[in-house]
Amino acid sequence: AQKITQTQPGMFVQEKEAVTLDCTYDTSDQSYGLFWYKQPSSGEMIFLIYQGSYDEQNATEGRYSLNFQKARKSANLVISASQLGDSAMYFCAMRRPSGGYNKLIFGAGTRLAVHP
Amino acid sequence: DTGVSQDPRHKITKRGQNVTFRCDPISEHNRLYWYRQTLGQGPEFLTYFQNEAQLEKSRLLSDRFSAERPKGSFSTLEIQRTEQGDSAMYLCASSPQTGLPGNTIYFGEGSWLTVV
Repeated sequence: AQKITQTQPGMFVQEKEAVTLDCTYDTSDQSYGLFWYKQPSSGEMIFLIYQGSYDEQNATEGRYSLNFQKARKSANLVISASQLGDSAMYFCAMRRPSGGYNKLIFGAGTRLAVHP
Repeated sequence: DTGVSQDPRHKITKRGQNVTFRCDPISEHNRLYWYRQTLGQGPEFLTYFQNEAQLEKSRLLSDRFSAERPKGSFSTLEIQRTEQGDSAMYLCASSPQTGLPGNTIYFGEGSWLTVV
């Protein structure tokens, strides 16, 4: 079955430090996309970063980077220089070719708390 | 604001009543999605539209649920004879049509449903 596993229900980090949120995925497809979304308490899912299965470089977007290890099927999110506003739920998601890449499969999420 | 908008943001209803949620996608996006998110879980795919055509429905979408997108713009999700198990957040999302895995799906802020 295609699935996303986030093994950390909660994480704590000190402000200005870096934190890594884990994500492993399971798929037999060669082509797929991996996404990270942030969900603050307001509920909106905010797109953070994308990694394609054929991309050789790890994706980066500002303070966010994705540590993509294809052979291990992991796509960990690294947040550098954490800020108080980073406190939120973080979801890893995968998009597969089935149905024309029209579904995102989400993990259960990791709640990040940034402490001053 | 040119993002995905949803209305109402919160709805409390008595068991057995019907409820309807509306979603206005990003204007140039022809794909529209509905997801459901229960407490402590990641969002789960319900259905998606390409323009006005509903092309896929999850088995989670029982016959009490109906979604429409009559003119290929806004969409409605109706739940008939609500049950307490329907209590969740209903997320709408949209994306342009490219058929590529990196095609970002943008989410709205969600509509919280509480069935009492």
